[in-house]
Amino acid sequence: DTAVSQTPKYLVTQMGNDKSIKCEQNLGHDTMYWYKQDSKKFLKIMFSYNNKELIINETVPNRFSPKSPDKAHLNLHINSLELGDSAVYFCASSQRRGTNTGELFFGEGSRLTVL
Amino acid sequence: AQSVTQLDSHVSVSEGTPVLLRCNYSSSYSPSLFWYVQHPNKGLQLLLKYTSAATLVKGINGFEAEFKKSETSFHLTKPSAHMSDAAEYFCVVSFTGTASKLTFGTGTRLQVTL
Repeated sequence: DTAVSQTPKYLVTQMGNDKSIKCEQNLGHDTMYWYKQDSKKFLKIMFSYNNKELIINETVPNRFSPKSPDKAHLNLHINSLELGDSAVYFCASSQRRGTNTGELFFGEGSRLTVL
Repeated sequence: AQSVTQLDSHVSVSEGTPVLLRCNYSSSYSPSLFWYVQHPNKGLQLLLKYTSAATLVKGINGFEAEFKKSETSFHLTKPSAHMSDAAEYFCVVSFTGTASKLTFGTGTRLQVTL
């Protein structure tokens, strides 16, 4: 039973298209995140939601819009895709908000390739 | 400024020999420190964490790390490498007083050879 699952795992699309990545966690966690991992493996947080409320929104172009219909789901929609959006996007969840427990549970990633 | 630095981008060891992956941090606050591992085409998994309790922390798969405040270091070690340890390792910091946001190091790729 996968704890944090993301779909799709691979996504290849053309510049200018709009695409979505979905994430679901069955751990009962309150907080969910989107991270972006670039080609050099550098990980950077994009968004964080706690109980459907946006709590972290890093400097991310507004072409990226997260949506959390409930605390078990956090989707990422990307408009007008650009070449630089090519990356692996990781969804993660954690049990407590605003603390330094630091234990995140990651999905397996969604590799987005923009042509 | 708060930051985390992994001193080696790539480490290669022979199977059965010790592993040392180095991590330094800078912070004005007391940090919480973590090591995560990422196997190829997989998500990250927590190896171990330090949160101001014992300075020597034991993790999964035989890994451990020691928090040394005087050296601002949190190096990851394992006495004997196994082929299955080949992966990317991330040192991660969370600083007291910040929101639930982690700062990741740039990663160290561990290669294990026969």
